[in-house]
Amino acid sequence: KQEVTQIPAALSVPEGENLVLNCSFTDSAIYNLQWFRQDPGKGLTSLLLIQSSQREQTSGRLNASLDKSSGRSTLYIAASQPGDSATYLCAIQWRSSNTGKLIFGQGTTLQVKP
Amino acid sequence: EAGVAQSPRYKIIEKRQSVAFWCNPISGHATLYWYQQILGQGPKLLIQFQNNGVVDDSQLPKDRFSAERLKGVDSTLKIQPAKLEDSAVYLCASSFGVAGGPGEQFFGPGTRLTVL
Repeated sequence: KQEVTQIPAALSVPEGENLVLNCSFTDSAIYNLQWFRQDPGKGLTSLLLIQSSQREQTSGRLNASLDKSSGRSTLYIAASQPGDSATYLCAIQWRSSNTGKLIFGQGTTLQVKP
Repeated sequence: EAGVAQSPRYKIIEKRQSVAFWCNPISGHATLYWYQQILGQGPKLLIQFQNNGVVDDSQLPKDRFSAERLKGVDSTLKIQPAKLEDSAVYLCASSFGVAGGPGEQFFGPGTRLTVL
């Protein structure tokens, strides 16, 4: 069964700290992995998409890595700010899916304290 | 480029009532998805369209949920009758890619449904 797991479910850090969010998955035969941000009561904002052939993607203070052999991805946030407080979701498109649907993890809710 | 549009943003209904949600995908996107997100969980696919055809509705509770995309653009998702466990955020997404192939999905703001 194809599953995505995110641990921890919640994380609280002081402003300015560098932090890592984790995503693990079964079955390495993926098309891509996406990291999303979700603010309370809002939809999903795509942060980074890593293709199966890539090892990492960067956007501003965000860096996402992909290690298919170990079934892991990390989202690194540098110099965290209170505005980074949100829920971060990891989602995967698997090659075996005949639909291309995304399978999501449960998310990690991040709180950055001023 | 306009994003995925959804309406309404919020809806509160009594159990056993009916409700409908509307989605307008990004122009030119052939594939449209409806996801259900229960509080504290990640979104789960309910139904997927490519143009006006259903690609996957295996997780759609067909005794109460229905969806259509008649002209291959806008889509509506209906619940009739609603149950308490239908309280969730309903997210619409679209992608340019064809079903089964890779493609970045873009999400709308969602509709938050509360069933009392």
